[in-house]
Amino acid sequence: DAKTTQPTSMDCAEGRAANLPCNHSTISGNEYVYWYRQIHSQGPQYIIHGLKNNETNEMASLIITEDRKSSTLILPHATLRDTAVYYCIVRGGNTGGFKTIFGAGTRLFVKA
Amino acid sequence: DSGVTQTPKHLITATGQRVTLRCSPRSGDLSVYWYQQSLDQGLQFLIQYYNGEERAKGNILERFSAQQFPDLHSELNLSSLELGDSALYFCASSLAGGGYTFGSGTRLTVV
Repeated sequence: DAKTTQPTSMDCAEGRAANLPCNHSTISGNEYVYWYRQIHSQGPQYIIHGLKNNETNEMASLIITEDRKSSTLILPHATLRDTAVYYCIVRGGNTGGFKTIFGAGTRLFVKA
Repeated sequence: DSGVTQTPKHLITATGQRVTLRCSPRSGDLSVYWYQQSLDQGLQFLIQYYNGEERAKGNILERFSAQQFPDLHSELNLSSLELGDSALYFCASSLAGGGYTFGSGTRLTVV
């Protein structure tokens, strides 16, 4: 699986959009971009994923650049409960072995 | 409830002992993954099973072993425990590839 690079931490004001970037320059054609978040010591929670088109669900939007080398997760109206570590990973969709590395992620602080 | 069940939630044991962590994947999922997360650290991939067979191995210590049973539940065995093995151990499952669903983890404390 391709490696990803994310900023260590970010701040966001409550009610504003939080834009979390991720670089994945070595992504291959069959790999998807996935975003997860981990609140305190809970199990990581799936947020959204995409291949090349932008995606939106009830939690967030995912913008993937045309060359697929980077993406941005957008939380449209951040709340205090969105304070968490956000992980960007890339992986394929087959049944092969996956040594998916989550890395350190981005620690998002939403402030009142 | 994510559908992935991990037991026990908490475990306290002494150095040198052996413990078994259990994971029941979400219904229909064939892959099980084990991750270790030490205090304020990222998720360290340990091992993956798919339909009973080992498919990928990460930085898993020789003192650790795992298996996936015919009913698809998985167990992670940790032996000769050391203080440094204290961590959160997460199990995740997926249908094949695709997205993971994580359990709530087992917090292991070695004293």
